[in-house]
Amino acid sequence: TQLLEQSPQFLSIQEGENLTVYCNSSSVFSSLQWYRQEPGEGPVLLVTVVTGGEVKKLKRLTFQFGDARKDSSLHITAAQPGDTGLYLCAGEKDSSYKLIFGSGTRLLVRP
Amino acid sequence: EAQVTQNPRYLITVTGKKLTVTCSQNMNHEYMSWYRQDPGLGLRQIYYSMNVEVTDKGDVPEGYKVSRKEKRNFPLILESPSPNQTSLYFCASAGWPNYNEQFFGPGTRLTVL
Repeated sequence: TQLLEQSPQFLSIQEGENLTVYCNSSSVFSSLQWYRQEPGEGPVLLVTVVTGGEVKKLKRLTFQFGDARKDSSLHITAAQPGDTGLYLCAGEKDSSYKLIFGSGTRLLVRP
Repeated sequence: EAQVTQNPRYLITVTGKKLTVTCSQNMNHEYMSWYRQDPGLGLRQIYYSMNVEVTDKGDVPEGYKVSRKEKRNFPLILESPSPNQTSLYFCASAGWPNYNEQFFGPGTRLTVL
């Protein structure tokens, strides 16, 4: 059972455009992480959000945790080719350290 | 450099031939885990370990074994591999108190013919 749905699955945009990736669930999570994975490498942690409504910024990336802690979004401003990769959200249930991963959003930023 | 290493990175084998994928971390992390990544399914947890000699099943443990005899190592064993175990495998580790923030190895691409 896929508990975390990511959308869109694929996104191809021009350099300089803005984009938002969504991570949705009917389950409540005690924390949610966003990872980025590049070809031939393992996922790399970008951010962890813990509190409902929390917003974190990492340069041009803005992460938001939903008020009910069931969903999250990642917004990228002025995308660059270096942002190309697979973006994965992962939710932690019940403070169990067990992560449930979404299927990912594959982003291509064209120069 | 803090890292998680996996070996081999690529492996092609045949059905039924036992194999081991090694995983080692140099961050003194208590928590280690194995995942498999398949198209459209994301990462699914196979086994995890909270500390030496403590292991537990994840979501897809069938056909796999693990051991945790030392803190730094967490090998994944396939006693009798089958084609449905063809996948990309990742080892991850995390340290207290942030076990939810995991460091991943570079992956092992396994093909079982």
